[in-house]
Amino acid sequence: SQQGEEDPQALSIQEGENATMNCSYKTSINNLQWYRQNSGRGLVHLILIRSNEREKHSGRLRVTLDTSKKSSSLLITASRAADTASYFCATVPTTYGNNRLAFGKGNQVVVIP
Amino acid sequence: GAVVSQHPSRVICKSGTSVKIECRSLDFQATTMFWYRQFPKQSLMLMATSNEGSKATYEQGVEKDKFLINHASLTLSTLTVTSAHPEDSSFYICSARPPWDNTEAFFGQGTRLTVV
Repeated sequence: SQQGEEDPQALSIQEGENATMNCSYKTSINNLQWYRQNSGRGLVHLILIRSNEREKHSGRLRVTLDTSKKSSSLLITASRAADTASYFCATVPTTYGNNRLAFGKGNQVVVIP
Repeated sequence: GAVVSQHPSRVICKSGTSVKIECRSLDFQATTMFWYRQFPKQSLMLMATSNEGSKATYEQGVEKDKFLINHASLTLSTLTVTSAHPEDSSFYICSARPPWDNTEAFFGQGTRLTVV
């Protein structure tokens, strides 16, 4: 079953604006990861946040994790047209063996030049 | 970083035929690989965990005889869709983790299967 679930959003923003997307999950996790997928391609890892971390930055990405609310957010600052993609959160539930990832539904982001 | 290569990227086949999809880890050995299926505008659904030298572990609801997985070497896992039907048309993606990092998953480019 899918553990990570984003609020179903399709974001359409202007280049330069910030894009924020959310993710919620249901069980205890070891970590939460965000991935990006360009249309018809594989996924690319963006950032990982561990269950004992609250916020993490990587370049223009900022991810937060609230384990009490079982939720996470991904912020992309100063968006670019090349950021147009689908973004998925994925969790590693503590109950899963061999570190299987459980993916959420995904957010489609369109950045208009 | 680690590289996972998937082949073919696209395949069209006739109903009733079988299609094999390959997933290779190019610069690391992967004792475990994962196969996902993705429908348009939907998330990835884990189909099975491929284990080198042993049987694959299938997720609930995934037909073992329909989706044959073979992980005969530390760098290659194959998914064979047997007796394909139009409802098997989908995007199939594999992933693996390198031994030096058991957190980040690296994905193949995906295979778009169309059964006509």
